[in-house]
Formats: sequence, structure tokens, C-alpha cells
Amino acid sequence: SQQGEEDPQALSIQEGENATMNCSYKTSINNLQWYRQNSGRGLVHLILIRSNEREKHSGRLRVTLDTSKKSSSLLITASRAADTASYFCAGGQTGANNLFFGTGTRLTVIP
Amino acid sequence: DADVTQTPRNRITKTGKRIMLECSQTKGHDRMYWYRQDPGLGLRLIYYSFDVKDINKGEISDGYSVSRQAQAKFSLSLESAIPNQTALYFCATSDPVGRGEEKLFFGSGTQLSVL
Repeated sequence: SQQGEEDPQALSIQEGENATMNCSYKTSINNLQWYRQNSGRGLVHLILIRSNEREKHSGRLRVTLDTSKKSSSLLITASRAADTASYFCAGGQTGANNLFFGTGTRLTVIP
Repeated sequence: DADVTQTPRNRITKTGKRIMLECSQTKGHDRMYWYRQDPGLGLRLIYYSFDVKDINKGEISDGYSVSRQAQAKFSLSLESAIPNQTALYFCATSDPVGRGEEKLFFGSGTQLSVL
């Protein structure tokens, strides 16, 4: 069964707007990561937030984590056409040796 | 050169054929993984290896086998391919950093089609 799920499945915005995507998960985690995937390519790590953190920033990325709701969000500010990609959350589960991945959000940024 | 290299990039095969997908890495990481990606399902773990003598099943290992030939090489085999194994396959590596906070480094993927 899918441990992580993202919403929306697809998002289309104009360049310069902000993009927000959400991840909900089912198990206890010790960290939550976000990855980016350009079409048909491998995933690239973007940012990691620990379970004792509520918010983290990296450049134009802002990640929040609410462990009580088992949810996380990724905000990309001032989006660019080059941000067009799929974005996946991935959870590091307590007591487990590997990550689970969400279903992904396909972001399209229109120039 | 890519740090994690997968070969082939694309493969078309027929039902019942044996297929091997190969992965090599120059990152010096001990941990290697095989995932498959299907539309709408995200990535699912097939097998993982934490060192040359350690092989572990993931959530969808049935119909697959792996071999860790060296620290840098991890291959995935489909002994008798079937159409529902058509998917995009990824190899990934990580370096253990404790507290389960490893970041994964992915290859470019192998698109496998089983007819």
C-alpha cells in the first residue's frame, strides 16, 4: 500500500507565481525529504526536514512539516519555467532502513 | 561522467525472456537500491543492499533477483519477464549518515518494456 500521497497530482501555474504541493503519509517518520524529477530522468534530492523541525528554507524552497497531521508541504516561490518537473516526497521511517515515496506532483510552469 | 550509471537506458523484450539491468557507481557509497516507477504510483523499492554481503528484499521483490558484484556494482535480473514488469527502473545509492537521514542519488533510469 502507498505510504505517501501527494496533492495535487498536477499543478499548472504562470512563471513568477508560487507553487505549493502537499504530502500526506501514514507512518511515523524521523525525516521527510523532497526530490525533483525532470521528465524521464532520475530523482534529485532537494531538501530534508527532520521530525523535530517545523519549517526549513533553501533558496526559493520552503518546506513545512506537521508530524501530528502526518503532512508536509513544499512551497516554491517565484517559479521559473525551469522548475517544471515532478516533485516527490519521501519519508525516512522510524526503525526502517529505507525511504517510502509519495505519488508525486507534476508541476508545469508556463513562461 | 554520471556518478550512478545505469545500462541499458531502454530495453524492449518479450514475455519469458531473462533480462539484466546493470548499475555502477563512482560515489563510493556502500548502500545501493533498485526501485521501479509506474505512473501514479511513485517509486517502489524492489531490493536494497547495504554492503557486498548484504541483500534485502523490498516491498515488491517477487519476480526479481539481484546481485551485488562489488561495492560499485548492483544488478537487477528479471528471470522470466512479464508485461506487468514494464516500468521505469532506477538504481540509487546512499551513504549512511545515521538517524535514517540518507539522501539518495539516482541513476538516469532504464525504461523496460515487456511485450
